Amino acid sequence: EVQLVESGGGLVQPGGSLRLSCATSGFTFSSYEMNWVRQAPGKGLEWVSYIRSSGSTIYYADSVKGRFTISRDNAKNSLYLQMNSLRAEDTAVYYCARDMLTTGTPSGAFDIWGQGTMVTVSS
Amino acid sequence: SSELTQDPAVSVALGQTVRITCQGDSLRIYYASWYQQKPGQAPVLVIYGKNNRPSGIPDRFSGSSSGNTASLTITGAQAEDEADYYCNSRDSSGNRVLFGGGTKLTVL
Repeated sequence: EVQLVESGGGLVQPGGSLRLSCATSGFTFSSYEMNWVRQAPGKGLEWVSYIRSSGSTIYYADSVKGRFTISRDNAKNSLYLQMNSLRAEDTAVYYCARDMLTTGTPSGAFDIWGQGTMVTVSS
Repeated sequence: SSELTQDPAVSVALGQTVRITCQGDSLRIYYASWYQQKPGQAPVLVIYGKNNRPSGIPDRFSGSSSGNTASLTITGAQAEDEADYYCNSRDSSGNRVLFGGGTKLTVL
């Protein structure tokens, strides 16, 4: 069964850091491009970041650029999101999502999603 | 950068056809993908590309596009189709993804 499982969320103070992980199974992780998408409570979806299968190409939303770092470990079948200088507006459920198309840029066609991990930024 | 605009709410009678739209400049260049999200659950991809359904998505879901508008059509809406629906596409740079604000579909 294809599966994505996020972890690492929690409560953090403004200005703090968190590292999210996404453990994958059931498919050849190293062949797929991956994304992080977030959803603030009661709000819509927001794309956060993309990484190519090899890790050679990375893109970020303007709202997180310079503060968040996406990475992957293909040997461990895992995706990561290092989040620094966190703000209240970063409070959201963070999903990892598999890009079903291999194009070298985020396609928007995300066919597999994890269950999400909640990040709360508050003092 | 640009935006994708969706109607906040749409309703449809059980068994009838409903169209949910998504407008944005990037849709003149890129296809939209469509997601269904039920409360407390992760989004599910229902349409991608010109009009492609992932495995397991009923054929009552279809997609189309014209100019700056993409549409998701549900032909013969079922009670289980009641959910939030989101469109997305690449932005004008091609290196980022935009999501629409979502449409809450009520099946009456």
